[in-house]
Amino acid sequence: DQQVKQNSPSLSVQEGRISILNCDYTNSMFDYFLWYKKYPAEGPTFLISISSIKDKNEDGRFTVFLNKSAKHLSLHIVPSQPGDSAVYFCAASAGNAGNMLTFGGGTRLMVKP
Amino acid sequence: DADVTQTPRNRITKTGKRIMLECSQTKGHDRMYWYRQDPGLGLRLIYYSFDVKDINKGEISDGYSVSRQAQAKFSLSLESAIPNQTALYFCATSDLQTPPHPPYYEQYFGPGTRLTVT
Repeated sequence: DQQVKQNSPSLSVQEGRISILNCDYTNSMFDYFLWYKKYPAEGPTFLISISSIKDKNEDGRFTVFLNKSAKHLSLHIVPSQPGDSAVYFCAASAGNAGNMLTFGGGTRLMVKP
Repeated sequence: DADVTQTPRNRITKTGKRIMLECSQTKGHDRMYWYRQDPGLGLRLIYYSFDVKDINKGEISDGYSVSRQAQAKFSLSLESAIPNQTALYFCATSDLQTPPHPPYYEQYFGPGTRLTVT
């Protein structure tokens, strides 16, 4: 059973609008959450993260929200740009498991000019 | 120059062949990982190593083996390749980030190896 799920395999958004990518998890021991971005023919790169002691973290156009009671996190990109078109992976870490990362299946974001 | 390199970048091989994927890093990290990516399944951990003398199985280690030849080198082998091992393979290294709290290990990925087993 996948402990981290991204239920939308793809998302299409108009340039300038908001992109919202969602992620759900089942393991209550996860205490750190990360988003990675992946372009074709490249490895994933770290984008933004959030600790379980917070409910929001912002970095420029990117904001991650964490709802612990719902075991849900989301990534907001505002405004979306064509260069944001990529696959986004949600990942979770549990400190008591050696900080290993468990990844979701990814969401392909397409930002149309 | 890239911090995490993988060779080869693309490989086509036949069922039953032995194949080795290599990973090198210049980041000086102790922790290294091998993942495979399949559509819809994200990245799944095959093996990981916390130092040269420490090798651990991940979620999907069956059919794979690894060798940590040095701090900077971590190789993945498929002893007898089969078609369902066709996938994108990523090597990663990690470094402890503290702060923030709680501390976590941020992972840095290589560019990947696309392996096709026919």
